[in-house]
Amino acid sequence: GAVVSQHPSRVICKSGTSVKIECRSLDFQATTMFWYRQFPKQSLMLMATSNEGSKATYEQGVEKDKFLINHASLTLSTLTVTSAHPEDSSFYICSASQGAGGQETQYFGPGTRLLVL
Amino acid sequence: GNSVTQMEGPVTLSEEAFLTINCTYTATGYPSLFWYVQYPGEGLQLLLKATKADDKGSNKGFEATYRKETTSFHLEKGSVQVSDSAVYFCALSGGGSEKLVFGKGTKLTVNP
Repeated sequence: GAVVSQHPSRVICKSGTSVKIECRSLDFQATTMFWYRQFPKQSLMLMATSNEGSKATYEQGVEKDKFLINHASLTLSTLTVTSAHPEDSSFYICSASQGAGGQETQYFGPGTRLLVL
Repeated sequence: GNSVTQMEGPVTLSEEAFLTINCTYTATGYPSLFWYVQYPGEGLQLLLKATKADDKGSNKGFEATYRKETTSFHLEKGSVQVSDSAVYFCALSGGGSEKLVFGKGTKLTVNP
């Protein structure tokens, strides 16, 4: 149980294009999903918290107009990198939260590697 | 605020050696504690967790005990395998927030 998928697993795009990444909880409903970015050999950096049916909460320093997050259902959140540039190249990982009342556990997707040329 | 400090790597061991990766935390209240593992090129997988003091999380031969008195959650395995080579992250959540606070990660390499 508690499986989270991401699509695509890898994407290469030209500078200036937009890229959409999907995150799905396959066998549970997730009111809250999270989006992270990971640079090589570093820990995860939380970008935003995505709540179903409401606006995402972005961490300080993350451009909300550049990284658009939509959480349309209890099993799907999407991250769109708008007008991507080479500096946006990174490994993007989502997670979905299961549980409640202080017993939440985050389950992570396999990640999406984005390369912007 | 909440923080996690874990042993800096890299750690290199021979197969069947004993593993300890230290993790200590600072948090208000009673956080939940986690160990995640990341294999090369993949996302994070939950390895084990503990939600209250003295709880022991265990999975795949790995163990960690939630020690409130020493604010620690050290990861141990009695006999490592080559397939355990990965990066291990200690993390906590709590204080009314679901957000995870991660340690910097410890890279483990196990040689045959």
